[in-house]
Amino acid sequence: EAGVAQSPRYKIIEKRQSVAFWCNPISGHATLYWYQQILGQGPKLLIQFQNNGVVDDSQLPKDRFSAERLKGVDSTLKIQPAKLEDSAVYLCASSINRGLYGTEAFFGQGTRLTVV
Amino acid sequence: GQQLNQSPQSMFIQEGEDVSMNCTSSSIFNTWLWYKQDPGEGPVLLIALYKAGELTSNGRLTAQFGITRKDSFLNISASIPSDVGIYFCAGQYYMDSNYQLIWGAGTKLIIKP
Repeated sequence: EAGVAQSPRYKIIEKRQSVAFWCNPISGHATLYWYQQILGQGPKLLIQFQNNGVVDDSQLPKDRFSAERLKGVDSTLKIQPAKLEDSAVYLCASSINRGLYGTEAFFGQGTRLTVV
Repeated sequence: GQQLNQSPQSMFIQEGEDVSMNCTSSSIFNTWLWYKQDPGEGPVLLIALYKAGELTSNGRLTAQFGITRKDSFLNISASIPSDVGIYFCAGQYYMDSNYQLIWGAGTKLIIKP
């Protein structure tokens, strides 16, 4: 079974530029997550999709971050304009609903963003 | 809101030693998940726990879902160099028709040469 695919692996941009990340979840996984992970911290949820609908974007800085999952499969996360504090690893994860047993999220390798 | 306290923050151990780390919360969770993250990689799921009191093993790893549903621990027996990394716990609860994941801050495992 193929895992969660993310691209690019690394990105360096100047502040105020824009950047986009792409994620292809595990086939059949209805739930897709975007996390931001600052060095030395745990993952912080930015947005959670169930199929192509947003179920939680309460921690997404909506003035500069946007995400979409138009066909309920792959997803893109965009930052425009980027700030220095956006330097982090952006992780995509997907999961399948196991009913009463909840879900098990599987992660991609992440995109390391450096804003200079 | 929901919070997890993961401890210890870091551990320096000798190869061959056993390791224990835990997560506690004042909130109840439906599921506990334990992940390991290597540098430059995404977290990898190690063990998933679904029932209060459940004890599950995966090779040298053993994890338990606390009977109160508010805590979980992970043990690693006879540590080896490839165990180095950051271990995260994540508690899952059901709210607003969706499962929410809360993450601990991580335990960094370092093996002394």
